[in-house]
Amino acid sequence: AQRVTQPEKLLSVFKGAPVELKCNYSYSGSPELFWYVQYSRQRLQLLLRHISRESIKGFTADLNKGETSFHLKKPFAQEEDSAMYYCALLADTGGFKTIFGAGTRLFVKA
Amino acid sequence: ETGVTQSPTHLIKTRGQQVTLRCSSQSGHNTVSWYQQALGQGPQFIFQYYREEENGRGNFPPRFSGLQFPNYSSELNVNALELDDSALYLCASSRGGRNEQYFGPGTRLTVT
Repeated sequence: AQRVTQPEKLLSVFKGAPVELKCNYSYSGSPELFWYVQYSRQRLQLLLRHISRESIKGFTADLNKGETSFHLKKPFAQEEDSAMYYCALLADTGGFKTIFGAGTRLFVKA
Repeated sequence: ETGVTQSPTHLIKTRGQQVTLRCSSQSGHNTVSWYQQALGQGPQFIFQYYREEENGRGNFPPRFSGLQFPNYSSELNVNALELDDSALYLCASSRGGRNEQYFGPGTRLTVT
């Protein structure tokens, strides 16, 4: 089965603290994974994808095929990081299909 | 560069009716994907259109259908509406099926 699991609905951290948003996936093929973010009153937008291996706004994510995980990390959270974060998997089986997790709301407290 | 637009913003329909939602893709994009997002959940993939052909479909019944036009804009049609169809419907466009998707603001559908 193709599935993305984000175990935390809500994550609350203090400004300056490290943050890790968890994402696990289930997929039999070669996974292509993304993190999307939705800030308040804004559209859903791409934050980063694993093949780019970039750091965006201080966030990084490493694909761990052994643990089937793609956790999103930032060493020092900022208040402006407060948003809804979705992990997504691109399944390429007879056409493309993007599977989203249920999302984690990150709240960074001052 | 014009972003992805969707219309209408909101609509209310009665169970059993039919609805058409519209999406204009971003300039230069040839692929449109549609998602259903129920309250408190992540977007659920409905289908994707690439150059006017369906290029992937999620677990939605046939009463969910779509079209893509030569200018790459798209429509989502839902027949025989059910109460559970109440959701935010998102459209996203991209250059090809595996590239970054740019999302529209969504259409909020309420079925009563």
